[in-house]
Amino acid sequence: GNSVTQMEGPVTLSEEAFLTINCTYTATGYPSLFWYVQYPGEGLQLLLKATKADDKGSNKGFEATYRKETTSFHLEKGSVQVSDSAVYFCALIGGYQKVTFGTGTKLQVIP
Amino acid sequence: EAQVTQNPRYLITVTGKKLTVTCSQNMNHEYMSWYRQDPGLGLRQIYYSMNVEVTDKGDVPEGYKVSRKEKRNFPLILESPSPNQTSLYFCASSFYNRDNEQFFGPGTRLTVL
Repeated sequence: GNSVTQMEGPVTLSEEAFLTINCTYTATGYPSLFWYVQYPGEGLQLLLKATKADDKGSNKGFEATYRKETTSFHLEKGSVQVSDSAVYFCALIGGYQKVTFGTGTKLQVIP
Repeated sequence: EAQVTQNPRYLITVTGKKLTVTCSQNMNHEYMSWYRQDPGLGLRQIYYSMNVEVTDKGDVPEGYKVSRKEKRNFPLILESPSPNQTSLYFCASSFYNRDNEQFFGPGTRLTVL
């Protein structure tokens, strides 16, 4: 079956530091890839997505590129803010709309 | 306002007492899904529905039931809850197209004693 592997957290960074959260996947066919963010006490909300190889998703300063050759979709941001503190989930949607999430990576940004 | 609603938001119950968590969406989405979120395990899909009267098992369906009699509603039923079903539950919906984002409800925190 499909699977998504994310780097273990928590990740603690100082404000304005560079962020990378690694995500790799295993899937048959050509899945769509997503990053969701969960702020404390809330549901998940879409951060960005990419639906085919070499696509780059971007939103709010975050970026991720769909790399088919390395089966990766790493999340990056050039300068994090305290307000970016949250849990980030990598996810894929494969055939029959089957959804698979990673385990989540908690990010804490310190002023 | 486009949204997914869940009720109740919090529930404490005892082993074996049947319960239902409701989920409703107002976006005319075909696809709906239930997840549970547990520390260290992320979100795991329980059941999903591709349209009215069409449901299928996700990764962790044991101990749960669902029904999809109307497009907007997708209740989750625990016929005989057990302590290992203590978790945070999320309902989500989307159009039936795997390029589309899922919209999540606010979550239901369930404790089974």
